[in-house]
Amino acid sequence: ETGVTQTPRHLVMGMTNKKSLKCEQHLGHNAMYWYKQSAKKPLELMFVYSLEERVENNSVPSRFSPECPNSSHLFLHLHTLQPEDSALYLCASSQDWAGETQYFGPGTRLLVL
Amino acid sequence: AQSVTQPDIHITVSEGASLELRCNYSYGATPYLFWYVQSPGQGLQLLLKYFSGDTLVQGIKGFEAEFKRSQSSFNLRKPSVHWSDAAEYFCAVGARGLTGGGNKLTFGTGTQLKVEL
Repeated sequence: ETGVTQTPRHLVMGMTNKKSLKCEQHLGHNAMYWYKQSAKKPLELMFVYSLEERVENNSVPSRFSPECPNSSHLFLHLHTLQPEDSALYLCASSQDWAGETQYFGPGTRLLVL
Repeated sequence: AQSVTQPDIHITVSEGASLELRCNYSYGATPYLFWYVQSPGQGLQLLLKYFSGDTLVQGIKGFEAEFKRSQSSFNLRKPSVHWSDAAEYFCAVGARGLTGGGNKLTFGTGTQLKVEL
């Protein structure tokens, strides 16, 4: 596989469920990102990891919990979400955090019922 | 703080016609500038980027963009649009290597391109 991959591509969950989104990058990059894309709104940066350390948390509610076990993998753990959390969640990576091009995965389309 | 404005929410062009998508940015120094394209249900694909040097940059799929510092603009152009170019296009500005701040990309709200056959 090449580039940035995300699984699952689609997810439907109830408000009491716990689920996780997975992102994997095959580019040898050191920085990884989670974005939220909602209809009619600009992409919102949620979290940034650089060398497996969280360097940015953009005022994201605690029901979203990121995890970066190594520089190639990034998870977003979800619990007790709200319907307004339904969105496309995009993962991206870059060589490092200092002004490099970000490459995006295909996203996970999340629907919270 | 940086910001990006894409003034056109929707644009419709005929196949074979030329295209220009507008992007204006606000940033206190010379920014990094990007154009991404997103097809329905897909992630963002990088079309082109400007970091420095020649202000006219060439990208994939026949797209180009010109950085105009005096107008704070980075408009995307294509001389002849193909039906497969129908998608949503996002302009983004990145902060240059901020100490302790990294590169935060700020995106515009996107321009939806429709191509009429």
